[in-house]
Amino acid sequence: QQQVKQSPQSLIVQKGGISIINCAYENTAFDYFPWYQQFPGKGPALLIAIRPDVSEKKEGRFTISFNKSAKQFSLHIMDSQPGDSATYFCAAGSARQLTFGSGTQLTVLP
Amino acid sequence: ETGVTQTPRHLVMGMTNKKSLKCEQHLGHNAMYWYKQSAKKPLELMFVYSLEERVENNSVPSRFSPECPNSSHLFLHLHTLQPEDSALYLCASSQVWTGGTGELFFGEGSRLTVL
Repeated sequence: QQQVKQSPQSLIVQKGGISIINCAYENTAFDYFPWYQQFPGKGPALLIAIRPDVSEKKEGRFTISFNKSAKQFSLHIMDSQPGDSATYFCAAGSARQLTFGSGTQLTVLP
Repeated sequence: ETGVTQTPRHLVMGMTNKKSLKCEQHLGHNAMYWYKQSAKKPLELMFVYSLEERVENNSVPSRFSPECPNSSHLFLHLHTLQPEDSALYLCASSQVWTGGTGELFFGEGSRLTVL
C-alpha cells in the first residue's frame, strides 16, 4: 500500500515530441505529489509538484495531470528537448512519509 | 559553497573497513536526510534528523550509523558493509521536517563500492 508504481522504466522521444511518464499510488493519505529530475552525476532536484485539490499544474513545458479517483498522476513534457534527457522520479507524500517511484530514464534524441 | 555538499564523491572499501560519508548544507535548513539510491529502484529513506534529533529510521542495518552534530552537518558511518550495500548515498535537507510534504534539496551523492 505504500508503493508508488512508475512507468515506463525508460523512454525515448524525438526532439519536439511529448514525453509522458505515469505514476500510480494506493495510499489515500498521500496529499503531495512531486516530480524530481536527476541528471547524471547530480542529485535529484524538484521539478514540479501538485496537491490533490487541483487536477492539473503547468510550469513552462512541464505539466502534472492528477486523477484523484484513479489514484494516478502523470508528467507531461511538451516540446521535449535533448537537455531534458534525465531520470525522472515521481513521489507521493503525506505528513508521515515521502515514497518515491523507481524512476524513468528519458532520452530525447536531437 | 552553496546548497548541499557531500564528500567523498566516490568511495571503495572492503567489507572489514570503517569509513564515513560527510554531508554539509549551506541553506539554513533544519532537517537532514540520508537516502540510498540503487539502480532501477525507488530512493530509499534511511535516516531523518530534525534539529539534530533523529526522527526517522527506516529499519536500516546497524552497520550504518548516522551522526548529526549540528543542523548543518550529517555523517554516515560505515562498518563491516556487504557488497549489496554498494549504491549511491544521497544526502538531502529541507527547511523543516514535514514528513513527506516539503521540498528536498539533494547533494550530488557519494558513490560507494563495497568489495
